[in-house]
Amino acid sequence: LAKTTQPISMDSYEGQEVNITCSHNNIATNDYITWYQQFPSQGPRFIIQGYKTKVTNEVASLFIPADRKSSTLSLPRVSLSDTAVYYCLVGDWYSSASKIIFGSGTRLSIRP
Amino acid sequence: ETGVTQSPTHLIKTRGQQVTLRCSSQSGHNTVSWYQQALGQGPQFIFQYYREEENGRGNFPPRFSGLQFPNYSSELNVNALELDDSALYLCASSFDPGGSTDTQYFGPGTRLTVL
Repeated sequence: LAKTTQPISMDSYEGQEVNITCSHNNIATNDYITWYQQFPSQGPRFIIQGYKTKVTNEVASLFIPADRKSSTLSLPRVSLSDTAVYYCLVGDWYSSASKIIFGSGTRLSIRP
Repeated sequence: ETGVTQSPTHLIKTRGQQVTLRCSSQSGHNTVSWYQQALGQGPQFIFQYYREEENGRGNFPPRFSGLQFPNYSSELNVNALELDDSALYLCASSFDPGGSTDTQYFGPGTRLTVL
């Protein structure tokens, strides 16, 4: 099972760039790296997904080194509304959906 | 395009009762997965349905069962409720279990409280 390790919590300030790193030493060749954001009492919201190098969309960037044993979610210029729990997952959703494990996530707190 | 919807939003039951939770998948999606999320923890995979058949199951007892209908909506049934079943139950839909580049889109969840 591909297991992920990420910081339990992080604090930052509005307008700053926030980088959350996730370790996944046992990532398999077919595994993708997916990040979700979750607000209290809501379902997780898909942020970004990648396989290698760098992926960027309208809300975040995902940096993946060549060995793929870690990944970094980068949130540019955060605001108070980015306060949430962020989950890093690795796996091939559809060959082994039951083996993709959500950890406890990183609780990000943004201050004014 | 409509997103994933779940009903009811909140539910209170007592120990030993049975409960049915409902999920409508996102338009165009034929795969539904259910998750249980206890307070302060990440979601835990219960099972997945693809085209009305179970397509994988997590470490949950048989009293957790499910159905998927021809329109790809789904139900989660829990029998003989226990206090520890109190949680946020999440439904997620996706296009097809054969594509490794796709991902799952979650509904808002149903908050179940067992007294």
